Amino acid sequence: QSALTQPASVSGSPGQSITISCTGTSSDVGDYNYVSWYQQHPGKAPKLMIYDVSNRPSGVSNRFSGSKSGNTASLTISGLQAEDEADYYCSSYSSTSRRVFGGGTKLTVL
Amino acid sequence: EVQLVESGGGLVQPGGSLRLSCVASGFTLSSYEMTWVRQAPGKGLKWVSYINISGSTIYYADSVKGRFTISRDNAKNSLYLQMNSLRAEDTAVYYCGRVGHSSSWYEDHWGQGTLVTVSS
Repeated sequence: QSALTQPASVSGSPGQSITISCTGTSSDVGDYNYVSWYQQHPGKAPKLMIYDVSNRPSGVSNRFSGSKSGNTASLTISGLQAEDEADYYCSSYSSTSRRVFGGGTKLTVL
Repeated sequence: EVQLVESGGGLVQPGGSLRLSCVASGFTLSSYEMTWVRQAPGKGLKWVSYINISGSTIYYADSVKGRFTISRDNAKNSLYLQMNSLRAEDTAVYYCGRVGHSSSWYEDHWGQGTLVTVSS
């Protein structure tokens, strides 16, 4: 069981927007702005998409955005494209475990 | 171009040891904190360990504490993970990651990973 809770799967059609949630506790997501999101294609290394809740690294499309409310962080992908199909993981600093990840969400582009 | 290349994985019997290496290029390792993250086959990412720039601050996940040791040699641009008393549940792809900026908790670059299989 992962420390952060993500939906196992989400899906959307090309051009649509989807949101992936990441629920933690007041010991991690709720109390720290150290939430990050990673994209992972099969057989590949993870790729940073969002850091510190809502910051986008250079080179990442502005279709990706992050936010947080209380103990839940969210990753929104707008204008879905076929290449967005991948697994997505959230992560947070934790005062009890130092670092925790979500179980991952498989995004399917229909 | 930033590159991280892991090596040292392989098949090891339960109770055995392995030492993973991660060689950095395209940036100065001595300017960055580093981490190890693993991924069991078909499973999600799990944080393993963190080391600061000088090696004076180190953290471990509870599941590896007392068995794994993270270290670095900035002169050799290398990060290491010494893994002892290996268990079947340590079977995973191990990734080294560069921490994005000081005192942050995300990786902005990852290696391609090295597979560790613990089995008799």
